[in-house]
Amino acid sequence: NAGVTQTPKFQVLKTGQSMTLQCAQDMNHEYMSWYRQDPGMGLRLIHYSVGAGITDQGEVPNGYNVSRSTTEDFPLRLLSAAPSQTSVYFCASSSGQGSQPQHFGDGTRLSIL
Amino acid sequence: AQSVAQPEDQVNVAEGNPLTVKCTYSVSGNPYLFWYVQYPNRGLQFLLKYITGDNLVKGSYGFEAEFNKSQTSFHLKKPSALVSDSALYFCAVRDISADRGSTLGRLYFGRGTQLTVWP
Repeated sequence: NAGVTQTPKFQVLKTGQSMTLQCAQDMNHEYMSWYRQDPGMGLRLIHYSVGAGITDQGEVPNGYNVSRSTTEDFPLRLLSAAPSQTSVYFCASSSGQGSQPQHFGDGTRLSIL
Repeated sequence: AQSVAQPEDQVNVAEGNPLTVKCTYSVSGNPYLFWYVQYPNRGLQFLLKYITGDNLVKGSYGFEAEFNKSQTSFHLKKPSALVSDSALYFCAVRDISADRGSTLGRLYFGRGTQLTVWP
């Protein structure tokens, strides 16, 4: 069972560079989301999607783009990396029923120099 | 506004003693409540949930949680702590009254409580 797969696991970028964090799930889940985790801040929602072709902003969307062309994939794009985006990024998915828990990937640890 | 509070950043207990990790929530409608655990360098893992029915729910690894509607709390408990329970614990709430007609609703997380169990 692959579950939620995130790549890469680690990445170092220079300020101003762009990159895409990949997220794929094999559970046919409708709902996918991206969070960032910073010390003492818990998890903050960046963007989420309730199905292919539908995305929406979370609480900290600035500097990030997403798209959802398939049910399985939900990539997160950093347009122009800034040191404030140094964080651990988690992708999660869940079924279309609100009573079901989210399944998390193991995260991407991103450092912006 | 929906929110979750975990009033303790850190909880320390001795192995074999009972443990409690506290969580209170605020939602405008009916809540679905969840507990997750995070081990170092890993993603969050689901422990247990409250949807409806019995206020005491049991989950993985011997954990349980009690839903108290009047106190808007959902504290995580375990009768006898293990050193291997040491991890970061997150409480989360989903508001069923939900975003823009979706039945999924957003999941709101607390800031996490670091549990350390001493041998």
